[in-house]
Amino acid sequence: EVQLVESGGNLVKPGGSLRLSCVVSGFTFSNAWLNWVRQAPGKGLEWVGRIKSKTDGGTTDYAASVKGRFFVSRDDSRNTVYLQMNSLKIEDTAVYYCTAEGAWGPGTRVTISS
Amino acid sequence: DIVVTQSPDSLAVSLGERATINCKSSQSVLYSSSNKYYLAWYQQKPGQSPKLLIYWASTRASGVPDRFSGSGSGTDFTLTISNLQAEDVAVYYCQQYSSTPLTFGGGTRVEIK
Repeated sequence: EVQLVESGGNLVKPGGSLRLSCVVSGFTFSNAWLNWVRQAPGKGLEWVGRIKSKTDGGTTDYAASVKGRFFVSRDDSRNTVYLQMNSLKIEDTAVYYCTAEGAWGPGTRVTISS
Repeated sequence: DIVVTQSPDSLAVSLGERATINCKSSQSVLYSSSNKYYLAWYQQKPGQSPKLLIYWASTRASGVPDRFSGSGSGTDFTLTISNLQAEDVAVYYCQQYSSTPLTFGGGTRVEIK
């Protein structure tokens, strides 16, 4: 069974940083392309960023709203994908999900407030 | 960027009847090398994370009841829920994954009439 579990969400002041983690099990992690998607309170889904498998180059892509502030990385030895979030803004407040192979984690809540 | 537009925003359907949700992409999401449409449908129930229903525009994900079906081609796609059940009350999203940024439709809320 594919499982993804995010962690690291917290209350942070504007301008601060946070790193989210997502531990994955149930499929061959090293072959997977992994995405982060967020959902602001009461709103729809917004794709944040993606990292390809190392076999496919390990490159990353980002939404324009986070490019230059957010960074996705992966540790295939730990079956873990990370989302480093810097220069956080109030509008980054959301539940953050990691997704892969069609499966989603339960999400972790990030709140940006002074 | 490919813009994905869903309609309607919400609909109310009687139990046992059919619900139809439309999704339109601003550009083709057909990947020519595979001849597949890179279009997925998700279901999100209140307080839960999204669940994959359909991928490649018409392939049901594992364990998804056959009352859910996806169709379409070009830039117009449809999710049909036949014989609507109470547990189908949710928000449904389409998503294109043919090119980054990956984009979602705004969602369609399905309720029981």
